[in-house]
Amino acid sequence: GAVVSQHPSWVICKSGTSVKIECRSLDFQATTMFWYRQFPKQSLMLMATSNEGSKATYEQGVEKDKFLINHASLTLSTLTVTSAHPEDSSFYICSARDPNPYEQFFGPGTRLTVL
Amino acid sequence: KQEVTQIPAALSVPEGENLVLNCSFTDSAIYNLQWFRQDPGKGLTSLLLIQSSQREQTSGRLNASLDKSSGRSTLYIAASQPGDSATYLCAAPNFGNEKLTFGTGTRLTIIP
Repeated sequence: GAVVSQHPSWVICKSGTSVKIECRSLDFQATTMFWYRQFPKQSLMLMATSNEGSKATYEQGVEKDKFLINHASLTLSTLTVTSAHPEDSSFYICSARDPNPYEQFFGPGTRLTVL
Repeated sequence: KQEVTQIPAALSVPEGENLVLNCSFTDSAIYNLQWFRQDPGKGLTSLLLIQSSQREQTSGRLNASLDKSSGRSTLYIAASQPGDSATYLCAAPNFGNEKLTFGTGTRLTIIP
């Protein structure tokens, strides 16, 4: 199957700082990528849909000014958590949509801990 | 809006047994359904993708079925092994877009 990478795999930062997470599709071009967050023992919750060359679409309740998404190329989307707070600590997972056969492939996730 | 439910929430079985995980969804107008595996602290591994035109999909010891009319999918695992221990998630798309809605998962433990 297709491969999606994320970097970093984990990050610890101080409250008030910004953190950037990268999501790359390694062997296919993805016009659409998705960002999810997952709290312990819970399922994945979609945060936003990232479209190459256009603005991201955010789910209800997700602050677009706090979670900045940039999809500048067909293989890279970035999520920047701005002015991070302890409640932003979570597991962030991205996925990239392969148009054939219209399947989503997921990255390994990034664990963010805000102190 | 699509809603996905998985039963049971947790399951423990002895090694070697066959088992079935269940997934139900409310909106049957789906073009596919995916099953994933998630190990603790890790991302998702895609196991099987069933297209809406298919009724079954097989990969090794895994077999997934899809019944759109009843809004159900099952994941059958044959001859379970300790390495199968993980959380299994099913995900169905929402009508009219490509967003996936995930079930809450079934945490599977295979007892050696």
